[in-house]
Amino acid sequence: DIQMTQSPSTLSASVGDRVTITCRASQSISSWLAWYQQKPGKAPKLLIYKASSLESGVPSRFSGSGSGTEFTLTISSLQPDDFATYYCQQYHSFSGTFGQGTKVEIK
Amino acid sequence: QVTLKESGPALVKPTQTLTLTCTFSGFSLSTSGMRVSWIRQPPGKALEWLARIDWDDDKFYRTSLKTRLTISKDTSKNQVVLTMTNVDPVDTATYYCAREAVAGRIFDYWGQGTLVTVSS
Repeated sequence: DIQMTQSPSTLSASVGDRVTITCRASQSISSWLAWYQQKPGKAPKLLIYKASSLESGVPSRFSGSGSGTEFTLTISSLQPDDFATYYCQQYHSFSGTFGQGTKVEIK
Repeated sequence: QVTLKESGPALVKPTQTLTLTCTFSGFSLSTSGMRVSWIRQPPGKALEWLARIDWDDDKFYRTSLKTRLTISKDTSKNQVVLTMTNVDPVDTATYYCAREAVAGRIFDYWGQGTLVTVSS
């Protein structure tokens, strides 16, 4: 199975900060990577697919980049609604493994 | 508007069989290209894909759980059912059903999830 490792596991930030989350794959996954946002008690929400394509309706402050084994999710200016846990997911292999998550909390 | 909702028991005893139902609307599983998956999330842990059923009744399972899982669909009722045999406390998790996006093996619509606790 392809392993997905996110860093950091927790991130403290303030409203207006630029935030970057990293996701590393144990082998090349080309650009087959998605990012999700999950709030407590809620289902995950798709933000980005194919590493950098923004899902319809997702604010443009979210962006994704990377290919191969290293990927980043960037929030250009953190908003109160963005405090949540973020997961990456590879879909190069059928198992579609998720990362362990990065919790973005209020500083 | 696409919606999905999971239902099933909140508490199951070890060794029993767990049956979960996903009832959805806003799309049809008889439409070419449509797929529905089950995904679970143990408390405080990462998401884990379990199984998928396609519009043409193709079925796919997580390798490590393949012998314990069965997925099926009732197109007339817009439902997908997942059964898991011989449950164990490690199967305690929130179980989600989700629609797979046309763009690939990613999930664009999710149910709210249902917490299943395995305990005697």
